[in-house]
Amino acid sequence: RKEVEQDPGPFNVPEGATVAFNCTYSNSASQSFFWYRQDCRKEPKLLMSVYSSGNEDGRFTAQLNRASQYISLLIRDSKLSDSATYLCVVNRGHNFNKFYFGSGTKLNVKP
Amino acid sequence: DGGITQSPKYLFRKEGQNVTLSCEQNLNHDAMYWYRQDPGQGLRLIYYSQIVNDFQKGDIAEGYSVSREKKESFPLTVTSAQKNPTAFYLCASSGHRTAEDQPQHFGDGTRLSIL
Repeated sequence: RKEVEQDPGPFNVPEGATVAFNCTYSNSASQSFFWYRQDCRKEPKLLMSVYSSGNEDGRFTAQLNRASQYISLLIRDSKLSDSATYLCVVNRGHNFNKFYFGSGTKLNVKP
Repeated sequence: DGGITQSPKYLFRKEGQNVTLSCEQNLNHDAMYWYRQDPGQGLRLIYYSQIVNDFQKGDIAEGYSVSREKKESFPLTVTSAQKNPTAFYLCASSGHRTAEDQPQHFGDGTRLSIL
């Protein structure tokens, strides 16, 4: 079983729509969680960290459910510029700073 | 500005040739990583280093080698033993090796192709 699993999509949504992605992780010892955005043929860029209490950054909201071992990303009022691949990343810790990446969920926002 | 610099941006390798990809960071990060990404695929870990003069194999280390003689630098050599080297190579770094809540930061990558 993969460490981190995501629905590859693509999610095709109109501008202004709300869209949500989920990601599951297999190891309950996982400590830190992140969402990255990757544009075509570019490097991944940190979108936001995910905290236990949930957190929001503008139109983006991240949630963590440790009991069910999943994290989510909600994008409100989608923009054309949100079109990208969104990567779920998990860090399992204690003297072992190794990151586990999902394969990504592709989002296409249409006019 | 602090960041991670990868060079070259594009690299071509001939059959039987070793090539070295450069990665330098001025973020004062302890940990550094090399990933490979094939078209339409996720990132796969090649090697990582938590501290100077120490490094560990990742999931696909065969055909690759690294060194970590300086904190700022983590070069990756793609050897002739790597039969399918064409890919997008990404270098990353993260803060203190035991700081689990610190994310990774990436360089802008090197595209390697076979001539």
